[in-house]
Amino acid sequence: GENVEQHPSTLSVQEGDSAVIKCTYSDSASNYFPWYKQELGKGPQLIIDIRSNVGEKKDQRIAVTLNKTAKHFSLHITETQPEDSAVYFCAATTGFQKLVFGTGTRLLVSP
Amino acid sequence: DGGITQSPKYLFRKEGQNVTLSCEQNLNHDAMYWYRQDPGQGLRLIYYSQIVNDFQKGDIAEGYSVSREKKESFPLTVTSAQKNPTAFYLCASSILLGINTGELFFGEGSRLTVL
Repeated sequence: GENVEQHPSTLSVQEGDSAVIKCTYSDSASNYFPWYKQELGKGPQLIIDIRSNVGEKKDQRIAVTLNKTAKHFSLHITETQPEDSAVYFCAATTGFQKLVFGTGTRLLVSP
Repeated sequence: DGGITQSPKYLFRKEGQNVTLSCEQNLNHDAMYWYRQDPGQGLRLIYYSQIVNDFQKGDIAEGYSVSREKKESFPLTVTSAQKNPTAFYLCASSILLGINTGELFFGEGSRLTVL
């Protein structure tokens, strides 16, 4: 089955810096790669996703890149703000409603 | 407002007791899911259901049971057979996109502590 590894487990940056979180997956048939943000005491919320027919996707300060050959994908956050502080999860799936999540990255943005 | 409601938010139980966590959604989603979240382990799928009266085991179903008698409701029972039940439990729902997976909408979770 699919296995997703996520790094780093914690990431501290200064406000205004960029943050990058990386994930690798094992199943070459995986075709959908979402990223979720979980704020303290709440459930995760989708912030961006990418499908396997696309190499990069941007949404304002957030971007995701996908390298199918190397089987890895990354989340890039530019101009970080304190409200970006949260736990971020990557995930991958071959479909059929079975997402496999990474272990999460705790991002701390200091003012 | 549309969304997913989980209850209770916090629950304490003695070892050996069964516990049922409630999950209700008014998003008219066909699919519903239960995930378990432990520190450093991400989210792991317990059970999921794509249609009323049908559900499938996820990766860690042992010691858990579910039912899907109504489209809006997907309760999870943590039985005494679950060896390490203390965890944060998340319910989610999504629309069905054929074989594709759609966006998951999560509830705010239920934290179960077994004493």
